[in-house]
Amino acid sequence: EVQLVESGGGLVQPGGSLRLSCAASGFTFSDYAMSWVRQAPGKGLEWVSDIHGLSEGTYYADSVKGRFTISRDNSKNTLYLQMNSLRVEDTAVYYCTKEEGHPYSSYHSDYWGQGTLVTVSS
Amino acid sequence: QSVLTQPPSVSGAPGQRVTLSCTGSSSNIGAGYDVHWYQHHPGTAPKLLIYGNNNRPSGVPDRFSGSKSGTSASLAITGLQAEDEADYYCQSYDSSLSGSRIFGGGTKLTVL
Repeated sequence: EVQLVESGGGLVQPGGSLRLSCAASGFTFSDYAMSWVRQAPGKGLEWVSDIHGLSEGTYYADSVKGRFTISRDNSKNTLYLQMNSLRVEDTAVYYCTKEEGHPYSSYHSDYWGQGTLVTVSS
Repeated sequence: QSVLTQPPSVSGAPGQRVTLSCTGSSSNIGAGYDVHWYQHHPGTAPKLLIYGNNNRPSGVPDRFSGSKSGTSASLAITGLQAEDEADYYCQSYDSSLSGSRIFGGGTKLTVL
């Protein structure tokens, strides 16, 4: 059974940093691209970032480019999102997702974690 | 403002058929990129409902079906049930954006 468990969320001041983690199990982690998707309070889903299985490619939404860094440790079956220079508008539930499909333009999220809440506030 | 446009709300009575729309442009749906649909009950993890325009993952009832034509896509739900009340999102890819994966703004489905 595929399981994705996020951690690392919390309250942080504007300009601060936070690192999210996602522990994956139930599939061969290195075989699949992974993503982060977020949902701000009262808003819809927003794609944040993707990383290919062997970290050979990373992609970012314009809203986070230059501030967030996605990475993975395939030996630990863990996905990360380093978030720097956080803004109030980054407040959201952040979901870790497993990606399916080929090529990249056909990626879709076939499994989702339960999410971790990040609150950016002074 | 989302690149993919979905109506904010749709409603239907139990047993009825409803259709949710997702309108894009020539740089996303109209360019031939796949459309995927997700169901989201607030407070839970979103669930993949349709992938590759019209394919259902294992375990998704055949009451749910997807289609695509031109610059738009649709999700049809037949035999509406109370548990179908949720938010529904379409997702695709846009070749004109540097951050290329895109979601629609979502449709809230209310079962009357």
